[in-house]
Amino acid sequence: GQNIDQPTEMTATEGAIVQINCTYQTSGFNGLFWYQQHAGEAPTFLSYNVLDGLEEKGRFSSFLSRSKGYSYLLLKELQMKDSASYLCAVRNYGQNFVFGPGTRLSVLP
Amino acid sequence: GAVVSQHPSRVICKSGTSVKIECRSLDFQATTMFWYRQFPKKSLMLMATSNEGSKATYEQGVEKDKFLINHASLTLSTLTVTSAHPEDSSFYICSASTQGSGANVLTFGAGSRLTVL
Repeated sequence: GQNIDQPTEMTATEGAIVQINCTYQTSGFNGLFWYQQHAGEAPTFLSYNVLDGLEEKGRFSSFLSRSKGYSYLLLKELQMKDSASYLCAVRNYGQNFVFGPGTRLSVLP
Repeated sequence: GAVVSQHPSRVICKSGTSVKIECRSLDFQATTMFWYRQFPKKSLMLMATSNEGSKATYEQGVEKDKFLINHASLTLSTLTVTSAHPEDSSFYICSASTQGSGANVLTFGAGSRLTVL
């Protein structure tokens, strides 16, 4: 079976740092992706990990541990516009993407 | 970067009618497109994989006669919701695999919100 878990909701303060965790159990693994989705809009690509370690892209970083089936997305210097849902997705060997339930992040002033 | 255009963004229809949603890849060819459905505050559920020139591959539990998919060209895939009912009301999103950050990533269309009265 395939299962991806993320916290349902998180709240953080503007300017702070927040870490969104994702654990997965999938039939195959060919990369882990993070997407951002604002309400009523389509998801947009944030980051991608296929090897263990940390990938940094500006205020956003993503970490992967394949042996633990674990990833996190780190958002620094939070801004109000970062309030959105963050989707963790695993691409399996069939090139299909399996999406997690998403984490709704609320950034407060 | 690669752009996927989806139309219409919003549609309201009466129960029993059919609705067609178009998904176009702009400036690139997409031999494969994916159709997702999303319920409020829920994640994306893959409905089917659309293959150019051949039949779509539907996920388990998705009625292929209800959700007709046509991928007649390398830049256009359509999803037709036939004999729509209120329970078909949802957010439908198409996507295509594109190159980004050195990997094949999914690029999404803007989505189509369907409301069936």
